[in-house]
Amino acid sequence: GENVEQHPSTLSVQEGDSAVIKCTYSDSASNYFPWYKQELGKGPQLIIDIRSNVGEKKDQRIAVTLNKTAKHFSLHITETQPEDSAVYFCAASWGGKLIFGQGTELSVKP
Amino acid sequence: DAGVIQSPRHEVTEMGQEVTLRCKPISGHNSLFWYRQTMMRGLELLIYFNNNVPIDDSGMPEDRFSAKMPNASFSTLKIQPSEPRDSAVYFCASSFEGRVTEAFFGQGTRLTVV
Repeated sequence: GENVEQHPSTLSVQEGDSAVIKCTYSDSASNYFPWYKQELGKGPQLIIDIRSNVGEKKDQRIAVTLNKTAKHFSLHITETQPEDSAVYFCAASWGGKLIFGQGTELSVKP
Repeated sequence: DAGVIQSPRHEVTEMGQEVTLRCKPISGHNSLFWYRQTMMRGLELLIYFNNNVPIDDSGMPEDRFSAKMPNASFSTLKIQPSEPRDSAVYFCASSFEGRVTEAFFGQGTRLTVV
């Protein structure tokens, strides 16, 4: 089955710096790759997604890149702010469902 | 729309008791997913339904777990009998059309089995 590996598990940056989270997936048939942000006590919320026919997508301070050949995709957050502190999950589609990575706890220090 | 609604938000029960978690998906969505979240295993998909029919229940850990979706607006996840290792946050999510697209998550039910 599909397996999604996510790194790092924790990431601490200074406010204003960039943060990068990376994921790899195992099944080349996967064609949809969302990123979710989970704040304490809440459910995961979609922040950006990318489909396999696109190499990069950007939404304000957030961007995602996809390398289908290498089967990896990354989340880039620029000009980080304290409110970006949360747990971030990548996911890959497989068989009509989403398989999630283990999560990255991002801490943005003011 | 109020989003995906789960109840209860918190549940504390004794080992051996039956636990029922409830979910109301977003109106118009026809795919529903149950996930379990723990520190050790992250977000695990337990089961998902499409048009009220269970499509894949390979993630259901044991026969103690069962899920139903009697209609398009309601689903339950039942654990009977519950065990301490079932303690986790259980999320319900829904999406549209059965193909993989944006899945909206509920707030989750934090289950503690003592």
